[in-house]
Amino acid sequence: DAKTTQPPSMDCAEGRAANLPCNHSTISGNEYVYWYRQIHSQGPQYIIHGLKNNETNEMASLIITEDRKSSTLILPHATLRDTAVYYCIVRPRIQQGGKLIFGQGTELSVKP
Amino acid sequence: GAVVSQHPSWVICKSGTSVKIECRSLDFQATTMFWYRQFPKQSLMLMATSNEGSKATYEQGVEKDKFLINHASLTLSTLTVTSAHPEDSSFYICSARVVGTGYEKLFFGSGTQLSVL
Repeated sequence: DAKTTQPPSMDCAEGRAANLPCNHSTISGNEYVYWYRQIHSQGPQYIIHGLKNNETNEMASLIITEDRKSSTLILPHATLRDTAVYYCIVRPRIQQGGKLIFGQGTELSVKP
Repeated sequence: GAVVSQHPSWVICKSGTSVKIECRSLDFQATTMFWYRQFPKQSLMLMATSNEGSKATYEQGVEKDKFLINHASLTLSTLTVTSAHPEDSSFYICSARVVGTGYEKLFFGSGTQLSVL
C-alpha cells in the first residue's frame, strides 16, 4: 500500500465541520483513497472511498485533489460521537490478498 | 449491512492458559479473514491472513505456534492465543473479506480485549 501522512491529532467544536487531511503523494493510478474510523475499544468502521472524483455519503464527504496527491475527509456537522481515530488508506479497489494496512491515523476529538 | 460477530468481547485469563477468540460472518460467506492486534494508543497491526480450508499466512514477527488460527468454514475463523502471558494482553480484531465482480468489501468485528494476569 502507498504511504499516507496524517496529522496525529485534531480538535473540532461540536456542530462544526471537521476537515481531516491526508497526504498520499506516491499514490498509483489504480489506487483508491479509503477512510475508516475507529471509535475507542471498537472495530474499525468504513466511512467512504474514492478514486478521483469527490464523493459524498450519509457519513461524510471526500475531496480528492486533482493531482490525487492529497485528500480531505469532511464531517459536515461533527458530534461528540464522531470522536475517534480516522485512518486514510490508499489501495487498489481489489487488493491482491485483501490486506488492509493501517497507518497511525488522526485522533479527532470533538469538544462541546 | 453485513455483520461480523466476534466473541468474546473481553476475556481475563491466568498466565500460561490458552484463549480462543471466534470471528463469525453472520449473513455472508467470507473468502478471507484477517486478524489484527492493537496495543493501547497504537494502530492496528495485521497478524495473519486466514483462508478457509488452508493454512494461515502470518506477518513477519508473528509466532504461528503461539497464535493458532483455524478457518474451518467460510463463516468462522478462530484465533487461539496459546500459553498466554501478560505481554499478550491486547485488543484483538478480526476482519472478513468479501470479493465480488469488480468490488471488494471488508467488515470488522467489534474486537476482543484480552487481559492476561
